[in-house]
Amino acid sequence: KQEVTQIPAALSVPEGENLVLNCSFTDSAIYNLQWFRQDPGKGLTSLLLIQSSQREQTSGRLNASLDKSSGRSTLYIAASQPGDSATYLCAVKSGNKLVFGAGTILRVKS
Amino acid sequence: GAVVSQHPSRVICKSGTSVKIECRSLDFQATTMFWYRQFPKKSLMLMATSNEGSKATYEQGVEKDKFLINHASLTLSTLTVTSAHPEDSSFYICSARESRGNTEAFFGQGTRLTVV
Repeated sequence: KQEVTQIPAALSVPEGENLVLNCSFTDSAIYNLQWFRQDPGKGLTSLLLIQSSQREQTSGRLNASLDKSSGRSTLYIAASQPGDSATYLCAVKSGNKLVFGAGTILRVKS
Repeated sequence: GAVVSQHPSRVICKSGTSVKIECRSLDFQATTMFWYRQFPKKSLMLMATSNEGSKATYEQGVEKDKFLINHASLTLSTLTVTSAHPEDSSFYICSARESRGNTEAFFGQGTRLTVV
């Protein structure tokens, strides 16, 4: 059974810092891995999707990497801003399903 | 990306009543839709997968008679919480995918259900 773990559970950083969020999964047989952002009481916004054959994806200040063999992914956020404050969720596609981690709650202080 | 609209965003109902939540794909045809439940500060838990025109496949531990899912068209799926109880209070999110293949799923805005 696929399990996804995200570390840390919560993170507070001053504005302008670069930061890394971690995601690990137990079964390397995945189709893709996706990072989402969730604001309080809201749905999910897809940030980056990495196919299993890819190593990384970039979008603006965000960079996500994937090491499928070791079951790990990282989300790098450069020059963090208060508007980046949200919960970040990692999910892997195993079979027909997305399996989610519990998320990292990020707070960027101004 | 494609747009998935979920309605209502918030609903309060009395114990014992039923509540219907709608999930619509606005600009694509969704062969497959997924329903998730999210507890506070917890991950999304997949409740069921529905393919258009067929019965939903429920995850282990999810009561299919309590959480009725209908996917009657390629743009609409509904989740009905029957005889709701306070423990059913939660955040419910749907997602939709265009084909049965390895395409990306898009998420609705979620529905906050409170049963009083």
